[in-house]
Amino acid sequence: SAVISQKPSRDICQRGTSLTIQCQVDSQVTMMFWYRQQPGQSLTLIATANQGSEATYESGFVIDKFPISRPNLTFSTLTVSNMSPEDSSIYLCSASRAGGWTDTQYFGPGTRLTVL
Amino acid sequence: SQQGEEDPQALSIQEGENATMNCSYKTSINNLQWYRQNSGRGLVHLILIRSNEREKHSGRLRVTLDTSKKSSSLLITASRAADTASYFCATDDTDKLIFGTGTRLQVFP
Repeated sequence: SAVISQKPSRDICQRGTSLTIQCQVDSQVTMMFWYRQQPGQSLTLIATANQGSEATYESGFVIDKFPISRPNLTFSTLTVSNMSPEDSSIYLCSASRAGGWTDTQYFGPGTRLTVL
Repeated sequence: SQQGEEDPQALSIQEGENATMNCSYKTSINNLQWYRQNSGRGLVHLILIRSNEREKHSGRLRVTLDTSKKSSSLLITASRAADTASYFCATDDTDKLIFGTGTRLQVFP
């Protein structure tokens, strides 16, 4: 298994500002992912964080709004830029050791973001 | 949307009863996974069943998979109050996991 921590655990932000969420894994992993979960809803994949290269974004998510970094095999950040109330969600980081998306993913505890 | 659908959306039972949740999906899969999410927390992996498997057990959990019907079920036997959570199925789709809509399970002591 893998233990994943996220910082901050929650935040309340003003419209128009940006927030960077950090994700730390306790050991090297192959794949890291960022998800958004709106209140009472399922998870939607934002992007796959690629080590040493640009993240791969899903339809509806763009780099200017959600820049992602992954400088090494245990750490990634997601920035939510120019926030609006519609960005209020839980943001979850996950990691997979082996084959990637088809194998078990380990999740962080999430970051609960409220935008006023 | 290729998102899987789960039913029921919500389920309330008494401790000791069994809970059954169903998941339907739309595309061919390599495997199907079930996850649990306690309120306001991250997801915890419960079990993975591969497309060539029909049934899998883990403790009080029993998962079945019917690829001809594109459906799976999760059975929790002898439920406990601590089983109260949301349960999601997830299927692989080319290069990502697709999570179902989830079932909210409430177990009353």
